[in-house]
Amino acid sequence: DARVTQTPRHKVTEMGQEVTMRCQPILGHNTVFWYRQTMMQGLELLAYFRNRAPLDDSGMPKDRFSAEMPDATLATLKIQPSEPRDSAVYFCASGSTGAWAAEAFFGQGTRLTVV
Amino acid sequence: GDSVTQMEGPVTLSEEAFLTINCTYTATGYPSLFWYVQYPGEGLQLLLKATKADDKGSNKGFEATYRKETTSFHLEKGSVQVSDSAVYFCALSDRIAGGTSYGKLTFGQGTILTVHP
Repeated sequence: DARVTQTPRHKVTEMGQEVTMRCQPILGHNTVFWYRQTMMQGLELLAYFRNRAPLDDSGMPKDRFSAEMPDATLATLKIQPSEPRDSAVYFCASGSTGAWAAEAFFGQGTRLTVV
Repeated sequence: GDSVTQMEGPVTLSEEAFLTINCTYTATGYPSLFWYVQYPGEGLQLLLKATKADDKGSNKGFEATYRKETTSFHLEKGSVQVSDSAVYFCALSDRIAGGTSYGKLTFGQGTILTVHP
């Protein structure tokens, strides 16, 4: 059963520390998304990649967030330094784009708490 | 830019009641439309989709019809169950002229549905 895998599922860290979240997209998918979910803002698109190239990271605070795809099986989202306002659930999703519809398959998320 | 607006929640219903969750969208192109569902502690799962005007997506008793003239994609179910309690998200995927989709999903704010026995 193909699925998107995110690690860790939960992370508690102190303000100022570096946080790295990892995502393994579904094999064969060529598009990867990073979303952040909070009660106040709902789902926000942070960044997305196609064929490992960043297409749009305008939703991401550039001074502290970075997203990369070192290879087709791994996407990373890094926060350095972390702040309490970064506390949220971060979702990775992957999809296979083509004509017409491009649905995304979501991982279970990383719940980040910055204290 | 593209946007999706869902009806205000939360929605509370008794089992076997009829469900409607309204969704309207604004898009510069000709998007694909989706409904996703999120159960507690889980990621989002695709519930149904429609790719062109007048298409009806359906799954697990849920339905939604792509209405281009009213830019709407309302979710309906004739008889809800307790197990349908979840958060429902309407979304669109942008698409350039010619049909190639970029797959960038824009979500509504979500509607919390609670179904009581």
